[in-house]
Amino acid sequence: QVQLQESGPGLVKPSGTLSLTCAVSGGSISTNDWWSWVRQSPGKGLEWIGEVYQSGNTNYNPSLKSRLTISIDKSKNQFSLNLKSVTAADTAVYYCARGEQQVVGGAFDTWGQGTMVTVSS
Amino acid sequence: QSVLTQPPSVSGAPGQRVTISCTGSSSNIGTSNGVNWYQHLPGTAPKLIIYGNSNRPSGVPDRISGSKSGTSASLAITGLQTEDEADYYCQAYDSTLFWVFGGGTKVTVL
Repeated sequence: QVQLQESGPGLVKPSGTLSLTCAVSGGSISTNDWWSWVRQSPGKGLEWIGEVYQSGNTNYNPSLKSRLTISIDKSKNQFSLNLKSVTAADTAVYYCARGEQQVVGGAFDTWGQGTMVTVSS
Repeated sequence: QSVLTQPPSVSGAPGQRVTISCTGSSSNIGTSNGVNWYQHLPGTAPKLIIYGNSNRPSGVPDRISGSKSGTSASLAITGLQTEDEADYYCQAYDSTLFWVFGGGTKVTVL
């Protein structure tokens, strides 16, 4: 059974870069699935950030696109998020998730536990 | 302002039926793509409970159901239980925005 685990700094300074990694275990990242990042700011709902495919192809939330890079490392079976020029508005719990294609048609069937990132000096 | 509109909250007594609406547009719910629903408990990962409008993943009880009509979708929970108290989110694929979520609905069991 595939499991996802986020890792990265819990505190980032304003104007800095938020960098997170999602390790995939129990299965290969080199499948027909898309791998996404989702966040939830305090008191708010879920916000899709972007996704990456095994080929390296990406789709981004237009509201974040100018600051965002999502990449995949098949050798390490992980994918990563880099969000630059962060502000307090980027403070959130960040989740990685699998968009499973074969069974659930791209819905996010597997999620990491989430990691809290605070943007503060 | 979310692309998909959900009521902020719904409530019901144990054993009752509650429904959550999710209203979108012709560029997301109104397409041939399915609507997905997630249950989210504080401090935990969201859980997929409905995919492709009305399909339940293994392990999700059949008292939870989903439907879609036009540019709207609905989630119904019958036989409401205390364990159903959570936030629920709809999700759809948008032709220009890619994945979009509703603003979330808090279900309270009275």
